[in-house]
Amino acid sequence: AQRVTQPEKLLSVFKGAPVELKCNYSYSGSPELFWYVQYSRQRLQLLLRHISRESIKGFTADLNKGETSFHLKKPFAQEEDSAMYYCALSGMGGGNKLTFGTGTQLKVEL
Amino acid sequence: DADVTQTPRNRITKTGKRIMLECSQTKGHDRMYWYRQDPGLGLRLIYYSFDVKDINKGEISDGYSVSRQAQAKFSLSLESAIPNQTALYFCATSATVNYGYTFGSGTRLTVV
Repeated sequence: AQRVTQPEKLLSVFKGAPVELKCNYSYSGSPELFWYVQYSRQRLQLLLRHISRESIKGFTADLNKGETSFHLKKPFAQEEDSAMYYCALSGMGGGNKLTFGTGTQLKVEL
Repeated sequence: DADVTQTPRNRITKTGKRIMLECSQTKGHDRMYWYRQDPGLGLRLIYYSFDVKDINKGEISDGYSVSRQAQAKFSLSLESAIPNQTALYFCATSATVNYGYTFGSGTRLTVV
């Protein structure tokens, strides 16, 4: 079975402070991991995929297979980063569908 | 125009009523999915379809059914709505999962 854990329901940081949204996963094979973002009253959007090793809107995430983690980081938070963030996993044995974590609400305060 | 369109955007229905939520896409993707979003529970998969003839149950399919009428259309039905099906429902599509999903705007369903 595949599972994604996001331990924080809410994370509050001040503008300009570093951000780290935690994500841990459980999967026996080789996972594909994603971060999705949902701004207020908008649809979910793909933020980044670990396979592309890209940086989007200043966010990065590194897959750590030893710690089974895929934490999302940004060095300096901006007010427009306030949103709900979901970590998601796809495992080959899971039929190529995504399993989502419960989400972390990021609030960036001025 | 949106790539993935869900109708209706909002719906209030009574307990016991049958209701259908519709999803259409212009992405040309074979794979379509229905999720529900509940506060504190994240997104949970209801049903998914990898092509018109392939329908699969997700983790919370009880009380729901689906129909894949065409590559572009995937409908979710609640046969007899109950209050704990009150949620935000999302449709999504993908070419392959590794390129990520494209989500619709969601349908907010309230069962009273």
